[in-house]
Amino acid sequence: DQQVKQNSPSLSVQEGRISILNCDYTNSMFDYFLWYKKYPAEGPTFLISISSIKDKNEDGRFTVFLNKSAKHLSLHIVPSQPGDSAVYFCAAKDNTDKLIFGTGTRLQVFP
Amino acid sequence: GAGVSQSPSNKVTEKGKDVELRCDPISGHTALYWYRQSLGQGLEFLIYFQGNSAPDKSGLPSDRFSAERTGGSVSTLTIQRTQQEDSAVYLCASSLGRGQETQYFGPGTRLLVL
Repeated sequence: DQQVKQNSPSLSVQEGRISILNCDYTNSMFDYFLWYKKYPAEGPTFLISISSIKDKNEDGRFTVFLNKSAKHLSLHIVPSQPGDSAVYFCAAKDNTDKLIFGTGTRLQVFP
Repeated sequence: GAGVSQSPSNKVTEKGKDVELRCDPISGHTALYWYRQSLGQGLEFLIYFQGNSAPDKSGLPSDRFSAERTGGSVSTLTIQRTQQEDSAVYLCASSLGRGQETQYFGPGTRLLVL
């Protein structure tokens, strides 16, 4: 039973355009959501997070949107840069403190 | 400052052998987590330590897997009688503790069981 789903295994975007990565979840008890970025042969790096009491959080080129009624969140990267090419994981947390991860979306930003 | 470190970075072992994986969390972080990522999969929670509380072992896939955390700092994950399906990247993360949700990950240990 996949509680956090990233239905797009890959995404290809031109440099300078917007990248939109999507994530859906099923557990209404999740109260905190995070996005991690992972390069090959490295551990995941924290990118941005959002509490369930908010619907938007912005940090530079990165914005996360949360739609609780739809149990959906998205990560927007604008403008996209070649260095953003990586695998992006969505993660969610309930009161147990452990993170539940999606299967990841591989983003490729081409010139 | 120093991040989460893990050793070894790579481990190749024969089926049936035991392996130990080590994690050094960020200094001052009271919470420590182990995850694994199998090929083509997302990260799967294994075990969680928070301070002196009993660990949350709910993610351990079998009794061949165990972990301990000595002195509230370094942790070792032990896999006994390894099987080929244990091949994965084992990732350790740490955080400041309850209420501090952001977990910081180490580079992982790539385990290959032949």
